[in-house]
Amino acid sequence: AQSVTQPDIHITVSEGASLELRCNYSYGATPYLFWYVQSPGQGLQLLLKYFSGDTLVQGIKGFEAEFKRSQSSFNLRKPSVHWSDAAEYFCAVGVTGGGNKLTFGTGTQLKVEL
Amino acid sequence: NAGVTQTPKFQVLKTGQSMTLQCAQDMNHEYMSWYRQDPGMGLRLIHYSVGAGITDQGEVPNGYNVSRSTTEDFPLRLLSAAPSQTSVYFCASRRTRERSNEQFFGPGTRLTVL
Repeated sequence: AQSVTQPDIHITVSEGASLELRCNYSYGATPYLFWYVQSPGQGLQLLLKYFSGDTLVQGIKGFEAEFKRSQSSFNLRKPSVHWSDAAEYFCAVGVTGGGNKLTFGTGTQLKVEL
Repeated sequence: NAGVTQTPKFQVLKTGQSMTLQCAQDMNHEYMSWYRQDPGMGLRLIHYSVGAGITDQGEVPNGYNVSRSTTEDFPLRLLSAAPSQTSVYFCASRRTRERSNEQFFGPGTRLTVL
């Protein structure tokens, strides 16, 4: 069965510092991978997605993610974090079957220190 | 477009009460789904629908019913509320069942069962 692991529950970075959020997936077929962000009290917003092609994908708000098949990873990065990036981040894999649902990781809570 | 809307935003129920969480989308999306979000567990799929008149179970369907009589609406019914159903509920939609389609989320309903 498919699964997504986000090993870091909480991460704290200083404003202006670089950020990397880790995501590892387990899925037997070609993965469709997503990163979503959830601000407090809000729904989820798509940051970026990977289906095929270039393994480095660019998203909104200056985020990017790199797909590494050999490591089953899809880590999210940002060169310089802003205070407004404080939120919870979810990695997800789109699977076939079951209505082609999304399977989510447990999320990483990002805190930004000024 | 209003996107995906959910009502109510907050609800408190007593054990054994029933209620319906409303979800509507105005994007003519075929695929709609309900998730619940619990701390440390990410989002888990409750039920989904790939079109009007078609619904199926997700990972955690027990205690919930759904129907899809129109493309726009996908209500979630709690038949007899239990404290274990205290959670934040998100409705989501995407254009088709294709994995590559972006999934759009509503703002959520925070439910407390006493």
